[in-house]
Amino acid sequence: KNEVEQSPQNLTAQEGEFITINCSYSVGISALHWLQQHPGGGIVSLFMLSSGKKKHGRLIATINIQEKHSSLHITASHPRDSAVYICAVSDSNYQLIWGAGTKLIIKP
Amino acid sequence: DAGVTQSPTHLIKTRGQQVTLRCSPKSGHDTVSWYQQALGQGPQFIFQYYEEEERQRGNFPDRFSGHQFPNYSSELNVNALLLGDSALYLCASSLPGESTEAFFGQGTRLTVV
Repeated sequence: KNEVEQSPQNLTAQEGEFITINCSYSVGISALHWLQQHPGGGIVSLFMLSSGKKKHGRLIATINIQEKHSSLHITASHPRDSAVYICAVSDSNYQLIWGAGTKLIIKP
Repeated sequence: DAGVTQSPTHLIKTRGQQVTLRCSPKSGHDTVSWYQQALGQGPQFIFQYYEEEERQRGNFPDRFSGHQFPNYSSELNVNALLLGDSALYLCASSLPGESTEAFFGQGTRLTVV
């Protein structure tokens, strides 16, 4: 079993829909990261969480430490949101442990 | 602030050759991590450098080596290239500590033929 599990693996939605991507982890963490990777490879850090909830524009990230679960929400989704969204956790060995990613496609 | 910059952006090498990839961290960051991302897979941790020393290493053979310079920039060297080394190589910089935000470069796409 992977230490970081994401769901769904693939998600296709219509423009304007509310999007939720889930991440569960099984290891002790110091922080959880949500990252966005566009075709071509560049990775952008969206959020780093250790508790609670963060919001940036149309993006919201939450984390429940007790349940070892985090969600990334996108409100009023747009085709430019199409990308791979990756959940990664920081462990005590300074590494990022990566989920497999969720490929999101938003259709106009 | 230029953020994290990597060079070159694309590279084609022949099996058996050696390659050096370069990374300049975000201003103020002194910790550099390298990742390998094969096509269709998530990134795999190669190693992390802090204070010019390798602080942590993932499950990669000794053909993969690195270096960090006094200005915190870093190099990733791969010797005796194999076809399976073809991947996107990502560099991330951060401040020291377990829970600091990582900033990523655009990556170097290495193709081994």
